[in-house]
Amino acid sequence: DSGVTQTPKHLITATGQRVTLRCSPRSGDLSVYWYQQSLDQGLQFLIQYYNGEERAKGNILERFSAQQFPDLHSELNLSSLELGDSALYFCASSVIGTTRGDTQYFGPGTRLTVL
Amino acid sequence: GQQLNQSPQSMFIQEGEDVSMNCTSSSIFNTWLWYKQDPGEGPVLLIALYKAGELTSNGRLTAQFGITRKDSFLNISASIPSDVGIYFCAGLSGGGSEKLVFGKGTKLTVNP
Repeated sequence: DSGVTQTPKHLITATGQRVTLRCSPRSGDLSVYWYQQSLDQGLQFLIQYYNGEERAKGNILERFSAQQFPDLHSELNLSSLELGDSALYFCASSVIGTTRGDTQYFGPGTRLTVL
Repeated sequence: GQQLNQSPQSMFIQEGEDVSMNCTSSSIFNTWLWYKQDPGEGPVLLIALYKAGELTSNGRLTAQFGITRKDSFLNISASIPSDVGIYFCAGLSGGGSEKLVFGKGTKLTVNP
């Protein structure tokens, strides 16, 4: 158990819909990262937040957005869903997010299926 | 964007055999990480490497950070059935960026 929690574990929805994935980082971790894992693209970095502020952006679509709240939990919002958005979405957290040796710990993931 | 080429894509071995997998990149990385992912779980960090040439062990696992900073390998000695899973290399290019770039993974199957 990494200490990172993600809900829900599974999500099935239809094209065009909007969903919200939730992540609670490990106690004491200030930085949260979101990743998408699909069969063809592998694990792709989406976005990083540090203490409520966006720090780095990766291959995140404009239909996707995220935020980190004052209690440090984070939400990833996916809208206008398409079939190709079906994937595993992982959240990871780390203490600071800027220094060497600051390990990222991954949550168990949310499996999103878009029908 | 940056890409990591991880090989082999899959391996089928007998229990007790040693395993070797590697990652290469056209870009320089300041940190190399090796993760293992079990079905239905998130990746778990196995070994982290921070310095070119560094050789680090974690039990039966040994990993090295290549001198050129463009490659890394992971060895597993005396494999056991619970080593089954997908192994990912990941790199951090540094400069304040914490964007992990992942390889496509090596799927390991161990036959008892």
